[in-house]
Amino acid sequence: EVQLVESGGDLVQPGGSLRLSCAASGFTLSSYWMHWVRQAPGKGPVWVSRISNVGSTDYADSVKGRFTISRDNAKNTLYLQMNSLTVEDTALYYCVRAKGLPGQAADNWFDPWGQGTLVTVSS
Amino acid sequence: DIQMTQSPSSVSASVGDRVTITCRASHIIHNWLAWYQQKPGKAPKLLIYTTSILQTGVPSRFSGSGSGTDFTLTISSLQPEDFATYYCQQANSLPLSFGPGTKIDIK
Repeated sequence: EVQLVESGGDLVQPGGSLRLSCAASGFTLSSYWMHWVRQAPGKGPVWVSRISNVGSTDYADSVKGRFTISRDNAKNTLYLQMNSLTVEDTALYYCVRAKGLPGQAADNWFDPWGQGTLVTVSS
Repeated sequence: DIQMTQSPSSVSASVGDRVTITCRASHIIHNWLAWYQQKPGKAPKLLIYTTSILQTGVPSRFSGSGSGTDFTLTISSLQPEDFATYYCQQANSLPLSFGPGTKIDIK
């Protein structure tokens, strides 16, 4: 069974840092495009970042230069390093896999999703 | 950046009703559109991708159509488990973006 389990969310002060983790099981994480998507309370989802199967990365402008997506192939785990956090970064952060393997035109469809990990930025 | 809008923002409906949700993109996205269903406290669930392809396991009462900038999600006969919030998402270009959502609640 394909499963994604996020962790690392916490309450942090503005300007602080956090590292989110996403442990994958049931598939090889490095074979797929992987994404982070966040959702503020009562709002729609917002795409944050992605990493390709070959390791290229992209970011939303709102997090570029502050967030870094990476993965540990040996641990089959995805990460999101978040620095210089602001109150606008407060959200539930989801780890999401691309629906299909690269070359199947499914890199940017989101399925499955993890359960999310909550990041709260507040003084 | 491509902005996504949805209408209506909410709709009250009854079991058995036909419900149609509209999604509009600020630029042409060809057929690079997906629909997700989200229930309270749960992660979004992929329903339809590439405008009209049903994800495995999604009931056939769900259908999607459109092209260019205008798209629709139709539920042909609303079931109790369909009361949820629905989001469209474009995958034509970065940044990937979602619509603001349409909530279907019980009339």
